[in-house]
Amino acid sequence: QLQLQESGPGLVKPSETLSLTCTVSGDSISTSSHYWDWIRQPPGKGLEWIGTISYSGTTYYNPSLKSRVTISADTSKNQFSLRLSSVTAADMAVYYCVRHTSSSGNFNWGQGTLVPVSS
Amino acid sequence: QTVVTQEPSFSVSPGGTVTLTCGLTSGSVSTTHFPSWHQQTPGQAPRTLIYNTNIRSSGVPDRFSGSILGNKAALTITGAQADDESDYHCVFYMGSGLWVFGGGTKLTVL
Repeated sequence: QLQLQESGPGLVKPSETLSLTCTVSGDSISTSSHYWDWIRQPPGKGLEWIGTISYSGTTYYNPSLKSRVTISADTSKNQFSLRLSSVTAADMAVYYCVRHTSSSGNFNWGQGTLVPVSS
Repeated sequence: QTVVTQEPSFSVSPGGTVTLTCGLTSGSVSTTHFPSWHQQTPGQAPRTLIYNTNIRSSGVPDRFSGSILGNKAALTITGAQADDESDYHCVFYMGSGLWVFGGGTKLTVL
């Protein structure tokens, strides 16, 4: 059974870099046609797609965040990661790691982790 | 920039039928957008209800159905129950690996 678990620091200071890791079990991040996403949700607001890394390592980013986002993968640990630089209060959100498959909007969601931004 | 639009809120009576919609500020929704619907209750992660326009995820009751209505994607709940009171988020594939969410609809059952 697929499980996705986000992990990272409990608090990030403004102007610093937010770093999160998603540990995947029940699937390999190298499985063909599987795609691995980061999606966030500020408190009381809607969902925002941040970006995706494919099974082959190709990345896709939300144009509004592209200049600050890096998504990478570590196949040896079956993990993928998010780095978001120069954070502000607007980046405070619950961050979800998600899997979807090619040509499908069938998302498998992690439980999410709240990342506060505060000095 | 194209924006995905949803009704901010909707209400339905228990046992009633409600249709939520998801559109684009520019152009019509089609199956090539792989429309999907995700249900979220407070404090919980979303879960996928419907994907690729009309495919129900495993374990989703058949009172939930998806379709394209006119130029929008639609989620219909037939025979609404109290525990259907949730936020419903739609998302579209916009090509080139990009996905865009709507703002979500808060559904009240009363």
